[in-house]
Amino acid sequence: DAKTTQPTSMDCAEGRAANLPCNHSTISGNEYVYWYRQIHSQGPQYIIHGLKNNETNEMASLIITEDRKSSTLILPHATLRDTAVYYCIVSVNAGNNRKLIWGLGTSLAVNP
Amino acid sequence: EAGVTQSPTHLIKTRGQQATLRCSPISGHTSVYWYQQALGLGLQFLLWYDEGEERNRGNFPPRFSGRQFPNYSSELNVNALELEDSALYLCASSLGRGKSYNEQFFGPGTRLTVL
Repeated sequence: DAKTTQPTSMDCAEGRAANLPCNHSTISGNEYVYWYRQIHSQGPQYIIHGLKNNETNEMASLIITEDRKSSTLILPHATLRDTAVYYCIVSVNAGNNRKLIWGLGTSLAVNP
Repeated sequence: EAGVTQSPTHLIKTRGQQATLRCSPISGHTSVYWYQQALGLGLQFLLWYDEGEERNRGNFPPRFSGRQFPNYSSELNVNALELEDSALYLCASSLGRGKSYNEQFFGPGTRLTVL
């Protein structure tokens, strides 16, 4: 079972910031939070990941709460091409083995 | 830099047949992951290969198997196909074990249809 919960769907106006929440209340101290997105019928695309500090790259920002039980992915200026399903994933560490357990994600619709 | 490639793009089989799906990782990546995505569902982890060995396996029956070749490319084999095996099969690659994180790069997928 996925260790994260996300809203099923969200809407955002083009040009505005899209804030996608994710709850991961059972996250362990050495587990990372990853965000991917999947545009219709394509392979998922990595966006960003973090452990405890906030992270920013050219695509997005990731804000992780101090207790690490939730996080928010921020797309600062959403465009129509950002319409996709966004997955929040917690990495499962078992020794040197890692696998990503995927939930159903948030379907983000960016509207003109 | 070439991304992850998968072949074929589409595959149509009938129940009971066998299917072979292929994946070539990004140059320099030694880990290959296979996922199944049934229509309208999230990705289900199938298999992880690294350095030619199976490192982890999801909750799938043994008729789902695969291998990784010396050049790090990989095959996924599905025997005795069932109707519910119809799905998009995604391959991803990443740097291998012992790296500090696992950013996975995905291919476009193979759409398998079982009739």
